[in-house]
Amino acid sequence: DGGITQSPKYLFRKEGQNVTLSCEQNLNHDAMYWYRQDPGQGLRLIYYSQIVNDFQKGDIAEGYSVSREKKESFPLTVTSAQKNPTAFYLCASSTTGGVSGNTIYFGEGSWLTVV
Amino acid sequence: GDSVTQMEGPVTLSEEAFLTINCTYTATGYPSLFWYVQYPGEGLQLLLKATKADDKGSNKGFEATYRKETTSFHLEKGSVQVSDSAVYFCALGAAGNQFYFGTGTSLTVIP
Repeated sequence: DGGITQSPKYLFRKEGQNVTLSCEQNLNHDAMYWYRQDPGQGLRLIYYSQIVNDFQKGDIAEGYSVSREKKESFPLTVTSAQKNPTAFYLCASSTTGGVSGNTIYFGEGSWLTVV
Repeated sequence: GDSVTQMEGPVTLSEEAFLTINCTYTATGYPSLFWYVQYPGEGLQLLLKATKADDKGSNKGFEATYRKETTSFHLEKGSVQVSDSAVYFCALGAAGNQFYFGTGTSLTVIP
């Protein structure tokens, strides 16, 4: 089935460590996104990529990094510079160039906890 | 800039009650409008969408109509079930694959 796969579902990070969250999609979408969601809160955009080898900062990019070497993959690294990384992270991808507008789809999310 | 404002929650309803969650938007151009549903610990699932004025999106008994004159896209369901308990997000899709989300409305349906 086509979809967006995020891994791992749960991840624990020690202080000072970098961790990488994986996001893979087989929907043939050009655009991909990373959002952060804190408990009981809405979505905040971290980074997005409209095409391979290109990405832009979102509203809260500090302490995060991404790469887009393949169309299917958009991994997010949470660096030690991110002081409060405990959150639920959502990867998404969207159709592009649609005549009737584009739609964004989400993965199942990854929980990151600092221990 | 483009934005979405949706009704503050939480909302608590009895089973079989009528549901309305308000959503209004501000946009330049001709955006697409969406409702997403999020169950605890999961990602957002597309519930319904509308791509132009007067379009009605519908799915699983939920409906929303794209009203350009009132810049609204209110979510409605005639008879909610306990299984509808979730967080609902209104969203706008703008040019350049930019998406804007409301803050979410938590719905709890009690038997």
